[in-house]
Amino acid sequence: TQLLEQSPQFLSIQEGENLTVYCNSSSVFSSLQWYRQEPGEGPVLLVTVVTGGEVKKLKRLTFQFGDARKDSSLHITAAQPGDTGLYLCAGVSRTDSWGKFQFGAGTQVVVTP
Amino acid sequence: DARVTQTPRHKVTEMGQEVTMRCQPILGHNTVFWYRQTMMQGLELLAYFRNRAPLDDSGMPKDRFSAEMPDATLATLKIQPSEPRDSAVYFCASERTGASYEQYFGPGTRLTVT
Repeated sequence: TQLLEQSPQFLSIQEGENLTVYCNSSSVFSSLQWYRQEPGEGPVLLVTVVTGGEVKKLKRLTFQFGDARKDSSLHITAAQPGDTGLYLCAGVSRTDSWGKFQFGAGTQVVVTP
Repeated sequence: DARVTQTPRHKVTEMGQEVTMRCQPILGHNTVFWYRQTMMQGLELLAYFRNRAPLDDSGMPKDRFSAEMPDATLATLKIQPSEPRDSAVYFCASERTGASYEQYFGPGTRLTVT
């Protein structure tokens, strides 16, 4: 059972379109992260959010942490082929004293030229 | 550019054989994680160490898996005996404690057990 549910599982769009992927849970997280993973490589950290309602921007990527710290979203504006990859969210539960991250199953994003 | 390194990158072995995977964390990082990634289960935490001491290995099948950190520059994950269901990509990640949980992943070891 995944503690973190990501949706959609797969997303295919044309270059220039916008997209949003979601990460939801019934648990409260003290910290939540987004990673991008390309084929044959390990995940690469994009952002860490820790405050409910927090919004962070990284060029064309906008990350939002829900007010209740149970959910998050990643929005990409004007997607490019280089944005193709598996997007993973990972969270540390508020009740976890060791700071151990649990990962969602991921959203596979394909951006075609 | 500091990176986590893992060896081997690919391993094909027969069922019943011992497999050893190695990881060199980024210098100065004192927390090391081992993950397993499959299509069915996604990315699962197997074990992790802080200052070379094991903190949590509850995600690891104890009867066949073992993880150690002989020194600060080497972490190992062993499977003995290996089984076909162990086929997966195994990732090592390291983190500098106090760095807002910033994990840096290695490129992974793709294991195939026939």
